[in-house]
Amino acid sequence: EAQVTQNPRYLITVTGKKLTVTCSQNMNHEYMSWYRQDPGLGLRQIYYSMNVEVTDKGDVPEGYKVSRKEKRNFPLILESPSPNQTSLYFCASSLLGGTQYFGPGTRLLVL
Amino acid sequence: AQSVAQPEDQVNVAEGNPLTVKCTYSVSGNPYLFWYVQYPNRGLQFLLKYITGDNLVKGSYGFEAEFNKSQTSFHLKKPSALVSDSALYFCAVRPGGDNAGNMLTFGGGTRLMVKP
Repeated sequence: EAQVTQNPRYLITVTGKKLTVTCSQNMNHEYMSWYRQDPGLGLRQIYYSMNVEVTDKGDVPEGYKVSRKEKRNFPLILESPSPNQTSLYFCASSLLGGTQYFGPGTRLLVL
Repeated sequence: AQSVAQPEDQVNVAEGNPLTVKCTYSVSGNPYLFWYVQYPNRGLQFLLKYITGDNLVKGSYGFEAEFNKSQTSFHLKKPSALVSDSALYFCAVRPGGDNAGNMLTFGGGTRLMVKP
């Protein structure tokens, strides 16, 4: 089944403790992206990647890092999480110029 | 810069009645427009998109959307609402063309409540 998977689905952590949220897709998509969803703000793009080793900032990149060492994986790294990063995070993938398909989401709470 | 406005935080409709969820956009050039739906505790599911051609686009679950270039709108519609349509709906836009990049800009979302 074609899908985007994220892990973990739920995460509670404390301020400053590094964490990684994984994202994987099995559709051989070139484009992958991370969004955060906050009430009333819709989804805002954090980082995106057009292909392996090609990443770029979205609208809200501060406090986040990404890497794209393999085509199927696009992990999101929070080096020193803060409470304002408490949010619902979505990974998405697509062919270049195509429709984006989203993962199930990761709900993060930073205490 | 591109932007999307969904002017209604919530839309209430009775089951069996037609529904409309509004979306207006701003983007350079011709737009690619999308509707996604989010059910409780689920990810975003793609509903439909407009790229070019017929202004009325049909999508999943009986939904359709009408592209209106002069009003820069892309309203989501369904002739007869179901209780199971209750969810959060997002409109999104990106510049048209395969070389324009994939960066989507989302509206703030509209919660649709369909009552029996």
